[in-house]
Amino acid sequence: DGGITQSPKYLFRKEGQNVTLSCEQNLNHDAMYWYRQDPGQGLRLIYYSQIVNDFQKGDIAEGYSVSREKKESFPLTVTSAQKNPTAFYLCASSIEPGPWGRSNQPQHFGDGTRLSIL
Amino acid sequence: KNQVEQSPQSLIILEGKNCTLQCNYTVSPFSNLRWYKQDTGRGPVSLTIMTFSENTKSNGRYTATLDADTKQSSLHITASQLSDSASYICVVSRSNDYKLSFGAGTTVTVRA
Repeated sequence: DGGITQSPKYLFRKEGQNVTLSCEQNLNHDAMYWYRQDPGQGLRLIYYSQIVNDFQKGDIAEGYSVSREKKESFPLTVTSAQKNPTAFYLCASSIEPGPWGRSNQPQHFGDGTRLSIL
Repeated sequence: KNQVEQSPQSLIILEGKNCTLQCNYTVSPFSNLRWYKQDTGRGPVSLTIMTFSENTKSNGRYTATLDADTKQSSLHITASQLSDSASYICVVSRSNDYKLSFGAGTTVTVRA
């Protein structure tokens, strides 16, 4: 079955530590995204990538970094500079390279990684 | 202030009953409006996408309406089932830069 796989499902970060969240898709989608979800708030865009080896900052990129070396993979690193990393992180992909809101095709989401501070 | 406001924040309904969720937005200029269903601990799943010219769209027991003049949308759930318990998220796209604005969601709990 085609889909998006995020791992791990739960992750704990120690003070001063960088952690990397994995996102893999086998939908052959060009565009991939990272969102952060906090209780009582809408999803907020961290980074997005329209093609391999290219990515753009979203609304809350500070303290995060990404890479897009392969079409299937878009890992997110939460650095020690992100002082409030506790949240539910969602990876998504879409068939069109963007601009993403123009398309009438939906974004497909993974099942998220919940990150907490130790 | 969020450009997409959803109400109510949460609601509880009995199995078999109907309910309606509201989404008001100020996003302009408008491109399209999406409804997603998110089960607890899972990622959102698309229910409907509506453009400016569409005012009703159904997906099984889910029916979404759109009034682009008043900038309001609703999601109606018919004959609710226990599996409808989830958060329902309204998302609006802007047509100049196609940025997506997400509502905070309405949490629906269906009780037997």
